Amino acid sequence: AQSVTQLDSQVPVFEEAPVELRCNYSSSVSVYLFWYVQYPNQGLQLLLKYLSGSTLVESINGFEAEFNKSQTSFHLRKPSVHISDTAEYFCAVSQLRDGKVTFGTGTKLQVIP
Amino acid sequence: GAVVSQHPSWVICKSGTSVKIECRSLDFQATTMFWYRQFPKQSLMLMATSNEGSKATYEQGVEKDKFLINHASLTLSTLTVTSAHPEDSSFYICSARGQGTLTEAFFGQGTRLTVV
Repeated sequence: AQSVTQLDSQVPVFEEAPVELRCNYSSSVSVYLFWYVQYPNQGLQLLLKYLSGSTLVESINGFEAEFNKSQTSFHLRKPSVHISDTAEYFCAVSQLRDGKVTFGTGTKLQVIP
Repeated sequence: GAVVSQHPSWVICKSGTSVKIECRSLDFQATTMFWYRQFPKQSLMLMATSNEGSKATYEQGVEKDKFLINHASLTLSTLTVTSAHPEDSSFYICSARGQGTLTEAFFGQGTRLTVV
């Protein structure tokens, strides 16, 4: 079995400030790790993923996440947020074996002007 | 990356009617497809897993007679919500996974179902 914990349900942050959205996972086997973003009334968009290789992964819009195996974490960070980053962010894990994705409960990022 | 197309993106139906949602893998063969549901202000929960040519495997608490899943080809899976009721109103999203044991799944854009 696998599980994902997103400790923060809501994170308010001022525009141009840095942000970190926390994600911890639990799994007895190797997993893929993902961050998805969901804008209001829209579908899921893949933000970034860790499959193997470098533990630091980046997205095209300035987000990055680092896979930390010892701490079983995959926190999402951005050094300077923009109003357009306001959305809900889901951390997710998938076992290599079956492809099932388990989602965290989501973190709503509210960027304040 | 691989593309998964889901149709329709939104649908409104009357209580008691059935609604079919399609999930297509456009540029790869999807041996496995997954269906998820997201209630308002909640996370996404896996409903069922379907393998091409086989019966779907439903997660605990999901009514298989209400949510009919068909995966008749390597590029198409359908979810039919039968005798829909307002409590079935939700966001439904599919994902598809290709052949091989070490491949990730790709998500469609989702379908917002509103039952009135």
